[in-house]
Order: sequence, then structure tokens, then C-alpha cells
Amino acid sequence: AQSVTQLGSHVSVSEGALVLLRCNYSSSVPPYLFWYVQYPNQGLQLLLKYTSAATLVKGINGFEAEFKKSETSFHLTKPSAHMSDAAEYFCAVSAPWSYGNKLVFGAGTILRVKS
Amino acid sequence: EAGVAQSPRYKIIEKRQSVAFWCNPISGHATLYWYQQILGQGPKLLIQFQNNGVVDDSQLPKDRFSAERLKGVDSTLKIQPAKLEDSAVYLCASSLRTEVLSYNEQFFGPGTRLTVL
Repeated sequence: AQSVTQLGSHVSVSEGALVLLRCNYSSSVPPYLFWYVQYPNQGLQLLLKYTSAATLVKGINGFEAEFKKSETSFHLTKPSAHMSDAAEYFCAVSAPWSYGNKLVFGAGTILRVKS
Repeated sequence: EAGVAQSPRYKIIEKRQSVAFWCNPISGHATLYWYQQILGQGPKLLIQFQNNGVVDDSQLPKDRFSAERLKGVDSTLKIQPAKLEDSAVYLCASSLRTEVLSYNEQFFGPGTRLTVL
């Protein structure tokens, strides 16, 4: 079974600082990987996805993530945090070889941006 | 393009009562998902439909939860009777289709926040 682990339930950064949210996955073969963002009282929005093309993936709002097979990681980064980035971020994994595209989510990381 | 619609947005009930949630997916989307998101946890898939057929309901507590998508468009999720641990946000999502070795983005609705007292 696949799973993801997000290190740190809360991350706090200053405005303008680097954002780094960590995600490690467990899978016997390279899966599809995703980062979603959730603002208060809203649904989830896809930030970016890895589906076995380029290992460095660029997403919306200046975020990017790098798939590292040797480390089984898919960490999310942004060079300079903005106040509007404050939200909860979820890493998710899907098995490309199975019918269903089922997403398995991590527990989430709440990002706080300090002015 | 209209997004995934859900209603109601909030619901408060007492334990042992029944409740139903409604979801209308994006037009043309064949696949519909219901997720349960308990506070402090990531969303967990409850059931997935492809048109009006069930693809995956392995994590649906079938003794109390039921879901249907009779005409392959909108869907209803029901809980009967509700327990305290059912307090959560119920998210509906839809995608164009489901297929192997290809990913179709899931689009999420705003969710229904259920509180069971």
C-alpha cells in the first residue's frame, strides 16, 4: 500500500523567506505525486503534480517540487514566502498502474507566514 | 466553467440522527469522489464512482454510510445513524475519467462541515 509522510504539522516562516515543506512517500515503484493547498473553508486546489516526466516540477503561485527517487521524497519549495501563502498543504500519492487514480493524502502541514 | 457544487455547507446534528450531503460535479466529468477529512488529518477516500458504477468503496463504513449516483451526474452521501466520530468535512471531487497510466486532475468542491453532538 502506498503512503505519504509529511514532516512537521506546522511550519512558520517570515515573509520573503524560503518555504520548504517536506514529503516522503512509500511505494514499491515510482508513483504519481501531488501537492494540494487548502485555504480556510475551501476545497483543495492542485498546486503541482509529478507524473513521471521531468523530476523538477513547477506549479502555480511560484511553488516547485523535486522528485527524488533515491530519497523517496517530493519536497515543496518556494523561494520567497508571501502572506497569501498561509494555508494548509497536503502531499498526496497515486498509483499510476491501478485503475481508479485513488489519491492517498498525508496529514497536512499548516504554513504560517509572519510579517 | 462552474466548479464542483456541494450543499449544505454546514450541518449540525445530534448523534443517531440521519444526514445527507449533495454533490454536483463539473459538467462532463465521469468520475466522482467522496472524501472524509477529519480535523488534523488529510482527506480519506470513502467512495469513487465512474458514471453510475462504484469503482472503489473499500473504506466506506457500509453499516452506516451509503452513497448513490443514480443518473451518473450528481450524487448523494448519507449517514444513518450518525456517530460523534463522523464529525468531519466531507469533500466531493470530480475528474474527467478514470484510466490506468494516465492522470486526470481531481477538482474539489468547498466541502460540507458536519458536526455531530
